[in-house]
Amino acid sequence: GQNIDQPTEMTATEGAIVQINCTYQTSGFNGLFWYQQHAGEAPTFLSYNVLDGLEEKGRFSSFLSRSKGYSYLLLKELQMKDSASYLCAVRDSGNTPLVFGKGTRLSVIA
Amino acid sequence: EAGVVQSPRYKIIEKKQPVAFWCNPISGHNTLYWYRQNLGQGPELLIRYENEEAVDDSQLPKDRFSAERLKGVDSTLKIQPAELGDSAVYLCAILKYGELFFGEGSRLTVL
Repeated sequence: GQNIDQPTEMTATEGAIVQINCTYQTSGFNGLFWYQQHAGEAPTFLSYNVLDGLEEKGRFSSFLSRSKGYSYLLLKELQMKDSASYLCAVRDSGNTPLVFGKGTRLSVIA
Repeated sequence: EAGVVQSPRYKIIEKKQPVAFWCNPISGHNTLYWYRQNLGQGPELLIRYENEEAVDDSQLPKDRFSAERLKGVDSTLKIQPAELGDSAVYLCAILKYGELFFGEGSRLTVL
């Protein structure tokens, strides 16, 4: 089976750094994705990792360790608008559909 | 993302009533997905299309749910009859450059 775990909720302060972890157990692996979803809106793509290491994109970075089945999303210089749910998703092979975790609801406070 | 348009955005019905959702993606994208997202959960796959063919529908409750994708472009998802537990957001997505692009979803409330 497939299992993707991430914390349910996190709270962080404006201007700070927050790390959202994701662990996965899948039969295969062909990429890990992070999506951002504001309340009442569609998920939007943030990052993609298929090789081990860190991918940086502005204030957001995503890390992958395939041997550990682990990823994290790092958000720097937090802004109030970063309050949203962050979804970790894994593709286990080829072009198969993404399997999503339950999401981490991040609240950024002043 | 303006590439996937869904309608209606919101629908409230009583249980046992039928309901249908439409997805209009940018033409030329072969792969289309329907996901269901319950409150506080991540999206869960219902069905995947490659052109007109449903290639992965193992998660679709076929006793009450049906879907079609005519001419390999637009798609519809139907529920008949709806149950209370069907209240959720139904998301349509296309595969573009290896990424999923979602429509804004159709929020269904079953009373």
